[in-house]
Amino acid sequence: QKEVEQNSGPLSVPEGAIASLNCTYSDRGSQSFFWYRQYSGKSPELIMFIYSNGDKEDGRFTAQLNKASQYVSLLIRDSQPSDSATYLCAVNGAGSYQLTFGKGTKLSVIP
Amino acid sequence: AAGVIQSPRHLIKEKRETATLKCYPIPRHDTVYWYQQGPGQDPQFLISFYEKMQSDKGSIPDRFSAQQFSDYHSELNMSSLELGDSALYFCASSNSGSTDTQYFGPGTRLTVL
Repeated sequence: QKEVEQNSGPLSVPEGAIASLNCTYSDRGSQSFFWYRQYSGKSPELIMFIYSNGDKEDGRFTAQLNKASQYVSLLIRDSQPSDSATYLCAVNGAGSYQLTFGKGTKLSVIP
Repeated sequence: AAGVIQSPRHLIKEKRETATLKCYPIPRHDTVYWYQQGPGQDPQFLISFYEKMQSDKGSIPDRFSAQQFSDYHSELNMSSLELGDSALYFCASSNSGSTDTQYFGPGTRLTVL
């Protein structure tokens, strides 16, 4: 069974700091990796996607992928209180587009 | 930019009733996915459709069925509702011709009493 593991948190960081969110996955055939942000009672909002090993940067967000270690991470620089949410790591498997989600990491950015 | 549209946004049903949830994908998106998210849980994949054909099936109960229509909108039909079906139901869409990135709709909150 495909699994995606995240630390549930809560992860608390002061405003302006770097928040680091981590995720591991079990299916070595996984091709695509996504980070979604979800506010309570709302739908998942796409933050980043990454397909290749290495880093991918988009504004204050950097996604990192290491397929050999089956590890993907999200860095949020200059964290803002509005970044306080649950961050979901999602992975799809070989030959499948269905997403398997981790249980999410709850991030709190303290003003 | 246009987003995924879901209706209704909220639905209250009694046990053993039926419910129909609707999803209208982003224009030019040909693939629709349905996910169920229980309280405090991560989204669980139910089923997906590509070009009106079922493309993948997850943990969808036999009481549920879904289809995608010629205009690419999709409907999730739920029968013999149980208390445990109370959840947020999200539809997501993607364009298979570009990337497999899924964009989620606002969800339907189903409450079964």
